[in-house]
Amino acid sequence: SQELEQSPQSLIVQEGKNLTINCTSSKTLYGLYWYKQKYGEGLIFLMMLQKGGEEKSHEKITAKLDEKKQQSSLHITASQPSHAGIYLCGADGNGGSQGNLIFGKGTKLSVKP
Amino acid sequence: SQTIHQWPATLVQPVGSPLSLECTVEGTSNPNLYWYRQAAGRGLQLLFYSVGIGQISSEVPQNLSASRPQDRQFILSSKKLLLSDSGFYLCAWSAGQPEAFFGQGTRLTVV
Repeated sequence: SQELEQSPQSLIVQEGKNLTINCTSSKTLYGLYWYKQKYGEGLIFLMMLQKGGEEKSHEKITAKLDEKKQQSSLHITASQPSHAGIYLCGADGNGGSQGNLIFGKGTKLSVKP
Repeated sequence: SQTIHQWPATLVQPVGSPLSLECTVEGTSNPNLYWYRQAAGRGLQLLFYSVGIGQISSEVPQNLSASRPQDRQFILSSKKLLLSDSGFYLCAWSAGQPEAFFGQGTRLTVV
């Protein structure tokens, strides 16, 4: 079965600093999703990547999918306290069957003002 | 626009008691519906998904069951809760787009 491993598990950064979160899959990714969760709340969809080498940006957050489609990174530029939360990567399990998402364990991000 | 409602937000239940969590979606028809559980240190785990009324697929064996009595209603149930059922339960939907959209979640504590 496919597994997603995220690193680091937790991250504390000073406001204004850049940071990167990684997500590695045990199998080829057919769809890779990044979500953000504030503690005890639902997930907010950030971005989806499907093609090898694809890169997407939204405000100060950039996500990339490597050419081999087994690793993705989420990069935050000039972090702000509003970026704090848990970031989860998700992927289509079962070779791409829609909606059968599997998730990494998440990366907890704290931003110190 | 589409919205998803999940309730209750928090729940404390004794061991052995029944459970019913409800999720409804508005603004879309025939959505795929999902129940996920997030346990401490274990990430999100897909419990059930449904592609239509009365169609339920279970991903893992467990003490829980799901039902879809109406097109946009998804219910998570248990006849007798176990301590290990504690966790954060999330309902999600998707319809025609790859990404899924999540409710606000229910924090269940079994005591």
